[in-house]
Amino acid sequence: QVQLVQSGAEVKQPGASVKVSCKASGYTFRGYGISWVRQAPGQGLEWMGWISGYNGNTNSVEKFQGRVAMTIDTSASTAYLALGSLRRDDTAVYYCARSLAEAGPKSYLDYWGQGALVIVSS
Amino acid sequence: DIQMTQSPSSLSASVGDTVTITCRASQSIGDYLHWYHQKPGKAPKLLIYEASILQSGVPSRFSGSGYGTDFTLTISSLQPEDFGTYYCQQSYNTPFFGQGTRVGIK
Repeated sequence: QVQLVQSGAEVKQPGASVKVSCKASGYTFRGYGISWVRQAPGQGLEWMGWISGYNGNTNSVEKFQGRVAMTIDTSASTAYLALGSLRRDDTAVYYCARSLAEAGPKSYLDYWGQGALVIVSS
Repeated sequence: DIQMTQSPSSLSASVGDTVTITCRASQSIGDYLHWYHQKPGKAPKLLIYEASILQSGVPSRFSGSGYGTDFTLTISSLQPEDFGTYYCQQSYNTPFFGQGTRVGIK
């Protein structure tokens, strides 16, 4: 069965960086993309960006450009989200989710990871 | 960006009721509209994609309709496990979620 398993919770200081992993199993990693969605405490869902599992092409929301890096390791069927220059309002649960390959970033998200809590606090 | 507005923002209903949630796009998005259900502390789960197609394994009491700017999610015969928050999402261009509709069980 399709599974996305994410890394654990992290506590970071303002200005630091964090890297969240998302290991996929149960499907052909290169045949789909991975989107990243975050959810601040008590808030709604915010789409951050997408990476192709085939060639590593990326697309991200303008507000994160310059601070975010999405990468993949196809040999490990794993996607990574790195977010730098962390601020307190980056405190959120970060989800990875599978998206259709042919749709690129413009896709529904059919399987989700369990989420990784990132707390930014001094 | 295409904004998505859900209504109501919250509701309470009894087991067995029919519940309707609406989602309006700020411009036409065709049928690039999807619905998710999220329980507290859990990841969202895809219910319906492309406005009306039921995701595999989702109970048939869930249905979706609409095209263009106005969309509806209907839950017929609400069950206790249906509480939580429902989100719509457009994928016509940069994906964007509605603000959510919280469904409570009376």
